[in-house]
Amino acid sequence: AQTVTQSQPEMSVQEAETVTLSCTYDTSESDYYLFWYKQPPSRQMILVIRQEAYKQQNATENRFSVNFQKAAKSFSLKISDSQLGDAAMYFCAYRSAYDYKLSFGAGTTVTVRA
Amino acid sequence: KAGVTQTPRYLIKTRGQQVTLSCSPISGHRSVSWYQQTPGQGLQFLFEYFSETQRNKGNFPGRFSGRQFSNSRSEMNVSTLELGDSALYLCASSLVRAGREPNFEAFFGQGTRLTVV
Repeated sequence: AQTVTQSQPEMSVQEAETVTLSCTYDTSESDYYLFWYKQPPSRQMILVIRQEAYKQQNATENRFSVNFQKAAKSFSLKISDSQLGDAAMYFCAYRSAYDYKLSFGAGTTVTVRA
Repeated sequence: KAGVTQTPRYLIKTRGQQVTLSCSPISGHRSVSWYQQTPGQGLQFLFEYFSETQRNKGNFPGRFSGRQFSNSRSEMNVSTLELGDSALYLCASSLVRAGREPNFEAFFGQGTRLTVV
């Protein structure tokens, strides 16, 4: 079974600064996908960024980027130029290439200070 | 394009009752998955349906069941409700195409908040 670990329950960042959220996972598979989802107080889960395991290049979406270290099974999310609207809970998730089940980490609550 | 729609948004039930939650996926999406979110256990996978067939099931008791209709809409049912079933139930839909499973993202609904008293 795949396990996803987020070791930071809470992170606080000053507006316009950068914050990095960590995520590690355990799997015996070689073909899989990794995601970061954002869940604001509205509870709507929103995909922030995704990474295919077979791609060495780290994914980037505007102010969001990842550091994917396949050998270390690490998948961290960097939020640059943090904005008040980035305040939310962030979940790291794993999905095998062969099914649609998502395995989530426990989540990291991000607070943005004005 | 309409998003994933879950109904009802809020529900209060009594222990021992049963409940049915509904999920309408994005048009064209044929895979529907259900997740339970609680403060203690986090987000846990319940089951996934595709073409009216359950393809994958999480580690939940048999009181939790689901089904998918020919129009891809899905329902999940919880019988003999327990206090611990109080949670946010999230539905997610994904586009599926033939061949190797693509990395299409899962689009989530806003969830149904179930409170068991």
